[in-house]
Order: sequence, then structure tokens, then C-alpha cells
Amino acid sequence: AQSVTQPDIHITVSEGASLELRCNYSYGATPYLFWYVQSPGQGLQLLLKYFSGDTLVQGIKGFEAEFKRSQSSFNLRKPSVHWSDAAEYFCAVASYSSASKIIFGSGTRLSIRP
Amino acid sequence: KAGVTQTPRYLIKTRGQQVTLSCSPISGHRSVSWYQQTPGQGLQFLFEYFSETQRNKGNFPGRFSGRQFSNSRSEMNVSTLELGDSALYLCASRPAGESYEQYFGPGTRLTVT
Repeated sequence: AQSVTQPDIHITVSEGASLELRCNYSYGATPYLFWYVQSPGQGLQLLLKYFSGDTLVQGIKGFEAEFKRSQSSFNLRKPSVHWSDAAEYFCAVASYSSASKIIFGSGTRLSIRP
Repeated sequence: KAGVTQTPRYLIKTRGQQVTLSCSPISGHRSVSWYQQTPGQGLQFLFEYFSETQRNKGNFPGRFSGRQFSNSRSEMNVSTLELGDSALYLCASRPAGESYEQYFGPGTRLTVT
């Protein structure tokens, strides 16, 4: 069965510092991978996605993620965080046959230290 | 284009009642999916509708049902509400074809007392 693990429940970084949020997935074939962000009281916004091709994908708001098949990972990175990046981040996976049935990780809450 | 809209945004119901939530997808999107978000279980897939037909279903009891209309608008119904049904219910839409990007609405916050 597909699953997504986000090992960090809560991360605090200083404004201007770099960020890396970890994500590991379990899936037999190459999955479709996503990162979503959720601000308090809001829905989910897609940051970036990986379907195939270049393993380094660029997203919105200066985020990027790298797909590493050998490590079953899809970590999210940002070189310099802004206070407005404080939110909950979800890694997710879907399959070709059930593209709408997204399996989400438990989320990582990001706090920004002024 | 307007985004995914969900109504109502907040709802308070009593245990044993039923509730209907509504979702209007982005214009042109024919697939609508529903998710439940709770602090304990996280985000869980409920079901997906495409062209008025349920295409995928998650592991939820039969008290949870949905439907989709010819204009792609979707409703989700929960009967015999339980305290554990308190959650944020999110709707997402995506266009037809090989697009796997889902666009989420702001959600409906349901509180069961």
C-alpha cells in the first residue's frame, strides 16, 4: 500500500535561513509526488509536483524539491525562508490509476523565528 | 477563473443529525474529490466524482455519501452524525485529461456536539 512519511512534526527556523522538509514514500512504481501548503483556516495550495523527467522540480514561492528514487524521498527545500512561509506542509503521493486518490503525509508545521 | 468554493464555511450540528456540504469546482473541471481532515487522522480521501459517477472511494462508512450534478457541482452528505465526524471537509477539483493537479477549496469546518 502507498504511504507517505514526514518524520518532522514541527520545525522552527530563523527568517532568512535555509529550509529542508523531509518526505519519504512507499510505493511499488514511480508515484506522482506533491507538496502542498496549508495556512491556518485555509485549504491546501499546491507548491510543486513531480510526475517524471528532471528529478529537481521548481515550485511557487521559491520552493524546490528533489526526487530521489534510491532513497524513496522527495524533500522540499527553500534557500531563504520568509515569515510568511509559516504554515503546515504536506507531502503527498498518488498513482496513475487513482490520480485523484491522494495519500497525504501527516504534515510538518513550520514556524519562523524572527 | 474563480477557485473552488465550498459552502457553508462553518457548521455546527448535533449528534444524530445529518448534514449536506456543497462544493463548486473551478469552471471546466469535471472531477471533484472530497477529503476529511482531523488532528488525529490527518487528511483522508473520501471519494471522487467524475461526470456524475463515483470513480474512487476511500475507507469510510456508508454514512458518508456524495453526488455530482451535471454542472459538476458536488454535494457530500453525512447521516447520523457522530462526534468523531467533527472535521474540516475539503473539496478539490481537477480538469479532465492527464492532469493530476488538484485545486482545493477553503473547506467546511463541521463541529458535531
